[in-house]
Amino acid sequence: DQQVKQNSPSLSVQEGRISILNCDYTNSMFDYFLWYKKYPAEGPTFLISISSIKDKNEDGRFTVFLNKSAKHLSLHIVPSQPGDSAVYFCAASAGGSRLTFGEGTQLTVNP
Amino acid sequence: NAGVTQTPKFQVLKTGQSMTLQCAQDMNHEYMSWYRQDPGMGLRLIHYSVGAGITDQGEVPNGYNVSRSTTEDFPLRLLSAAPSQTSVYFCATQLAGLTDTQYFGPGTRLTVL
Repeated sequence: DQQVKQNSPSLSVQEGRISILNCDYTNSMFDYFLWYKKYPAEGPTFLISISSIKDKNEDGRFTVFLNKSAKHLSLHIVPSQPGDSAVYFCAASAGGSRLTFGEGTQLTVNP
Repeated sequence: NAGVTQTPKFQVLKTGQSMTLQCAQDMNHEYMSWYRQDPGMGLRLIHYSVGAGITDQGEVPNGYNVSRSTTEDFPLRLLSAAPSQTSVYFCATQLAGLTDTQYFGPGTRLTVL
């Protein structure tokens, strides 16, 4: 039972354009959501998070949107840069520290 | 300050062999976790520890053992390796209760023949 799903295994965008990565979840108890970024041969690194009491959180070029009624969150990267090419994991937590991860989306930003 | 270190980086085992994946941290974090990453499956939690002497099972614990005798170390033991355990293994640490301060090690790529 995949409680956190990233339905797009890959996404390709042009440099300077917007990248939108999507994530859906089924567990209504999830109250904290995170995005991690992973380069090849490295561990994931924390990117941005959002609490269920908010619907938007921004950090520089990265914005996460949360739609609780649709159980959907998205990560927007504007403008996209070639260095953003990586695998992005969505993760969720229900009141504690155990994270449930999605399958990941490979983002490729073309120069 | 090394953060989270994992050894070895790569390992090839034969079916039935046992081995220990090492994880060490110097950040004095209470929480430590082990994940495996498989294509199309994301990161799945194997075991975790909320402090020295305390461990618990995650989503996919079968075939793995852990112990936490010190804050710094959290080894993962494969008792009798199987091809299904071929994966990339990540150790992670975090301040207890603060989900977004989770730090991952560089990973161990394990192949079981």
